[in-house]
Amino acid sequence: DQQVKQNSPSLSVQEGRISILNCDYTNSMFDYFLWYKKYPAEGPTFLISISSIKDKNEDGRFTVFLNKSAKHLSLHIVPSQPGDSAVYFCAASGPSGGSYIPTFGRGTSLIVHP
Amino acid sequence: DVKVTQSSRYLVKRTGEKVFLECVQDMDHENMFWYRQDPGLGLRLIYFSYDVKMKEKGDIPEGYSVSREKKERFSLILESASTNQTSMYLCASSALRGGQYFGPGTRLSVT
Repeated sequence: DQQVKQNSPSLSVQEGRISILNCDYTNSMFDYFLWYKKYPAEGPTFLISISSIKDKNEDGRFTVFLNKSAKHLSLHIVPSQPGDSAVYFCAASGPSGGSYIPTFGRGTSLIVHP
Repeated sequence: DVKVTQSSRYLVKRTGEKVFLECVQDMDHENMFWYRQDPGLGLRLIYFSYDVKMKEKGDIPEGYSVSREKKERFSLILESASTNQTSMYLCASSALRGGQYFGPGTRLSVT
């Protein structure tokens, strides 16, 4: 049973427009959320994170929003650029025996068209 | 610049062979992880370690073992490789709580 779900396997956006990637989670113990970006044949790179005490975190063109009541988070990329084309993974973690082990979604493939 | 390195980018092994995948991090991180990535399945955790000589099973540990003798090094071992272990293997490290840093991955093919 997936605890972190990315329901859209793919997303296509025009350059300059906003990309919105969504993620839902079921475990109410999750209190730290992360987004990773992955290019083909490379390891994922950490993009941005948010703690459950916040509802928004911004870093340049990337903003993550957290809606705890809906158990939903989203990543906004504004403006989108062709170099943003990659697979984006959402991850969530919470206290588990003193460790914080992220649980990953299955990823959303973003294509930004020039 | 933080770095996680993996011993091989590409590996081809035969069924039944013992396979070692090595991972080294230079960030003095406590946590280290091994994942496999398969199309449509995302990242699945095989094993993780939160300290030297400590290890915990992840979601899919069957057919794998790990070793962490030094803080910076975490090895994944396939005791007897099988074709269903053909995959991309990713190592990661992190501080106690924080974003993970991933290595470049090892694409393993078992024939």
